[in-house]
Amino acid sequence: QVQLQQSGAELVKPGSSVKISCKASGYTFTSYDMHWIKQQPGNGLEWIGWIYPGNGNTKYNQKFNGKATLTADKSSSTAYMQLSSLTSEDSAVYFCARYGRGTGFAYWGQGTLVTVSS
Amino acid sequence: EIVLTQSPTTTAASPGEKVTITCLASSSVSNMYWYQQKSGASPKLLIYSTSSLASGVPDRFSGSGSGTSYSLTINTMEAEDAATYYCQQWSSNPLTFGSGTKLEIK
Repeated sequence: QVQLQQSGAELVKPGSSVKISCKASGYTFTSYDMHWIKQQPGNGLEWIGWIYPGNGNTKYNQKFNGKATLTADKSSSTAYMQLSSLTSEDSAVYFCARYGRGTGFAYWGQGTLVTVSS
Repeated sequence: EIVLTQSPTTTAASPGEKVTITCLASSSVSNMYWYQQKSGASPKLLIYSTSSLASGVPDRFSGSGSGTSYSLTINTMEAEDAATYYCQQWSSNPLTFGSGTKLEIK
């Protein structure tokens, strides 16, 4: 069965960076886009971007250009998102989710809470 | 960017009652997707390609619409349906979600 296992909660200082992971299993990692989605406390869902692990192609929501960097390691079937120059506005739960063409986000990770605080 | 406006923002329904949530797009989209999110959990896909039921989703859920107007219907409300519901489009970049509809049980 398809599973997306994300790394644990992070407490980080303003101005620093954080890298969170999403380990995929149960399917061919290189055949599906992996997306990242942000959810601030009590708020809705905001799309960050996607990576196609097959060739490393990425596409970002313009709002997150320079903030998020998506990478993928085919050897470990793991997708990564690095967030830089962190501020309190980056405190949120971040989800990875597998997108199927025409079928939407059928699979989600459990979410990673990032808290930015001094 | 296509903005998705959901209504109502919050609503409550009694068990057995019919519930309809609307999603209006600022420009025409070809398909709509719907998700259910319970507190502390990841979103769950309910409807894809406007009207197709995702695997394992009870058939009391249905989706319809076209162009700029889409809806999610719960035919007979059950207590377990209390959650926040989001619509989502990817007819154009960036992919966007609606702001959510919180559904409570009366």
